[in-house]
Amino acid sequence: GQSLEQPSEVTAVEGAIVQINCTYQTSGFYGLSWYQQHDGGAPTFLSYNGLDGLEETGRFSSFLSRSDSYGYLLLQELQMKDSASYFCAFGGGGKLIFGQGTELSVKP
Amino acid sequence: DAGVIQSPRHEVTEMGQEVTLRCKPISGHDYLFWYRQTMMRGLELLIYFNNNVPIDDSGMPEDRFSAKMPNASFSTLKIQPSEPRDSAVYFCASSLVKAGGESTEAFFGQGTRLTVV
Repeated sequence: GQSLEQPSEVTAVEGAIVQINCTYQTSGFYGLSWYQQHDGGAPTFLSYNGLDGLEETGRFSSFLSRSDSYGYLLLQELQMKDSASYFCAFGGGGKLIFGQGTELSVKP
Repeated sequence: DAGVIQSPRHEVTEMGQEVTLRCKPISGHDYLFWYRQTMMRGLELLIYFNNNVPIDDSGMPEDRFSAKMPNASFSTLKIQPSEPRDSAVYFCASSLVKAGGESTEAFFGQGTRLTVV
C-alpha cells in the first residue's frame, strides 16, 4: 500500500531549529513534497525533493533519502508565525498523497 | 490567475439533502484533485482527474459521492444524500504535471466547510 508517517505534534521555542521527519511506503515514487497549513486555511506548497539531498529555501530546508524512504523538513530561526500543520506528500503519475500532518507549536 | 476557486465557502445542510461543491482550477493545469479533511482522518484524496478524465476514485467513500469534470475549467463534487458524518472541509486542488508523471506542486482552493445536521 501507500502510506506516509510523520509525528503528530512538535513543540519548539522561538528562534530554535526544528526537524519534522517523514517516512513513506509506496511504489512509483517520484518525489517528496512539503506543505504548510495554518488553522482555517488551505495547504500551501513549501518545497519539493525529486532527488536525494538537501533543498534550501530561505529558513526552510528539506531533505530526501530514497534508499531509506525518508525525508525531513528543517525549519530554522523559528518564528511564532511558523505555528501551523506541516504535511509531507508524495506524488507519482499525478496522484498526490498526504501524510497525517505534524502540528508545530512555536512558544515564545 | 486568481488561483483555485471553490464555492461555496461554507455550507450547512440537513441530513438527506443533496450537496454540490464547485471548483474552478487554475487555467492550464491538467490535474484536479478533491480532498476531504477531518481531524480524525487528515487530508484524504477522494478522486483526481487528468485532462478532465477521472483517473482514480478509489478514495470516494461511498456511492453517495460523485464527481464530474465536464470541462477544463470546472468540476463538481456531489453528495446525495448527505449524512452528518460527511461534515468536513473539502478542498479542491490543481497542478501541472511534468512529462514523466512528476507532480511537484499542487495549488489548493480555500475549501468548503460542510456541516450536515
